[in-house]
Amino acid sequence: GESVGLHLPTLSVQEGDNSIINCAYSNSASDYFIWYKQESGKGPQFIIDIRSNMDKRQGQRVTVLLNKTVKHLSLQIAATQPGDSAVYFCAEGTGRRALTFGSGTRLQVQP
Amino acid sequence: DGGITQSPKYLFRKEGQNVTLSCEQNLNHDAMYWYRQDPGQGLRLIYYSQIVNDFQKGDIAEGYSVSREKKESFPLTVTSAQKNPTAFYLCASSIPGQGWPTEAFFGQGTRLTVV
Repeated sequence: GESVGLHLPTLSVQEGDNSIINCAYSNSASDYFIWYKQESGKGPQFIIDIRSNMDKRQGQRVTVLLNKTVKHLSLQIAATQPGDSAVYFCAEGTGRRALTFGSGTRLQVQP
Repeated sequence: DGGITQSPKYLFRKEGQNVTLSCEQNLNHDAMYWYRQDPGQGLRLIYYSQIVNDFQKGDIAEGYSVSREKKESFPLTVTSAQKNPTAFYLCASSIPGQGWPTEAFFGQGTRLTVV
């Protein structure tokens, strides 16, 4: 079946640096993509989304880039803080179907 | 405050027993979902419901059952037929997609352990 996956299982960055988390997807018919943050023992929290007809979307300290040519999605976090340490998931959505999630990347922020 | 409430937070089950996980939302969302998460893994869809009295199987429905008698409630029963039920279970709700990204709001999860 279709899948959403991630390149790096763990990413370690220094506090204050920028972080880039990548995601590859295989469903070319995806309508939209969402990034979630999950802290230990908690449910995922919405970070930012992007529709398939967009290339870039910015939020507060976060930017999502979508490259449909290579089916690649990235989440950029500016000035990474210790509170950003968590597991980040990309999810793919199509129409009214339930979201399909990738396996996640753990972000570790070093002080 | 609006949100999704899952209970209990921790649940222990003996082998051969059925258990039911509760999920309640007061967001007035039509769609509700159950996901399973294993350690170091992503979320896998168990069941989802787009509207009251209707639900569909997800990718790993075997050994699970659901009901959707009320808009705000979507309980999940883990039956004895589920061979490896120990996992973190997450419930979510959303407004069914109308084209634009539909954010799914998640509960805080129920950690089920078979003893």
